[in-house]
Amino acid sequence: ETGVTQSPTHLIKTRGQQVTLRCSSQSGHNTVSWYQQALGQGPQFIFQYYREEENGRGNFPPRFSGLQFPNYSSELNVNALELDDSALYLCASSLGAGPSNEQFFGPGTRLTVL
Amino acid sequence: KQEVTQIPAALSVPEGENLVLNCSFTDSAIYNLQWFRQDPGKGLTSLLLIQSSQREQTSGRLNASLDKSSGRSTLYIAASQPGDSATYLCAVLNYNTDKLIFGTGTRLQVFP
Repeated sequence: ETGVTQSPTHLIKTRGQQVTLRCSSQSGHNTVSWYQQALGQGPQFIFQYYREEENGRGNFPPRFSGLQFPNYSSELNVNALELDDSALYLCASSLGAGPSNEQFFGPGTRLTVL
Repeated sequence: KQEVTQIPAALSVPEGENLVLNCSFTDSAIYNLQWFRQDPGKGLTSLLLIQSSQREQTSGRLNASLDKSSGRSTLYIAASQPGDSATYLCAVLNYNTDKLIFGTGTRLQVFP
């Protein structure tokens, strides 16, 4: 069984650019959640995708957007990058969207915005 | 609005000590509480998940308790080892938002 994978591992961008981060869910999982973790902080929920539809969103501006594909992999897109977007971006997959479904986390993508 | 606090923020102990990490939350309407381990710059590894109806969970040298009415959880680590050095995060799954809310973590260093 393959766990959650994320790519790329590290990324450096400049302010104003756009970035796409990718997540492959664990085998059999149809739900992906994205989190932003700033240095020294706990992860903050960005949004969740369940069967290709957005299923809940945290307190993040519209320039943070996402997609989920038929194979349940997912992308996080961030437009007009700001310095404060520098963080570790984590994705987590689960068997379903409900609270009884434990989330399994990937290794994260470290984004640095200069 | 749910807030999760972890105390202490950092802890340094000699190898072999038993230690307790604390987590508190302001809204007791939770489905479950989960403890994670995070190595520097890495993702999260789930350690223990306690359902709201449970009082504690154990895995090896780890024991986590939950007192939902007082909004508290503790993670007990027995006979600590240098390999336990990491940041420990707790997170609650809220009824209202159905999403994980994390604390800021306790950074643990166990020295030989």
